Amino acid sequence: EPEVTQTPSHQVTQMGQEVILRCVPISNHLYFYWYRQILGQKVEFLVSFYNNEISEKSEIFDDQFSVERPDGSNFTLKIRSTKLEDSAMYFCASRERSAGGQETQYFGPGTRLLVL
Amino acid sequence: AQSVTQLDSQVPVFEEAPVELRCNYSSSVSVYLFWYVQYPNQGLQLLLKYLSGSTLVESINGFEAEFNKSQTSFHLRKPSVHISDTAEYFCAVSAKAAGNKLTFGGGTRVLVKP
Repeated sequence: EPEVTQTPSHQVTQMGQEVILRCVPISNHLYFYWYRQILGQKVEFLVSFYNNEISEKSEIFDDQFSVERPDGSNFTLKIRSTKLEDSAMYFCASRERSAGGQETQYFGPGTRLLVL
Repeated sequence: AQSVTQLDSQVPVFEEAPVELRCNYSSSVSVYLFWYVQYPNQGLQLLLKYLSGSTLVESINGFEAEFNKSQTSFHLRKPSVHISDTAEYFCAVSAKAAGNKLTFGGGTRVLVKP
């Protein structure tokens, strides 16, 4: 069964450093998402991406964050200058295109980011 | 905007006993409702979803959830749990429009004891 994959599974970085989290969505999917979960808190929506542009973003997704689909298979989340509060589990998700948005979002296993 | 409340952060339950995980939501627009499960060290997997039609939906592994519009609830139940059901369960909603994000509850950790 096709699945969403994410790399790395764990990343430790110093505050102020740039990190890139990578995701390979399911191949025929057209909508892509990033969510994060700070330890002990809810899973929060960050950004959705469709047709090579951001379709929606949350207040969390400020100028320090960017997303890209560089080569038609990977979907990346870049944090330009990490802060301590960026430490979280980051989930990528993808889904097929359909009217009404009822298709299931499939999630990757997550990347645990620790900012020191 | 939507919000989701899962009233129980943790539910210990004995094997073969029933379990109910409560989920309430609020939204100014019509929504789709989902339950996701996260097994230890794994990603989120869809357990079941309510889109329209019958308010009772079932999963292949014995879980069911009932959409109650008047109470804005989507509680998850299983009549007899197994050790393998130990996981964290997340209720989520999305507005009925293409491309829309999921809004999650805080999760309920189910620990099944022998």
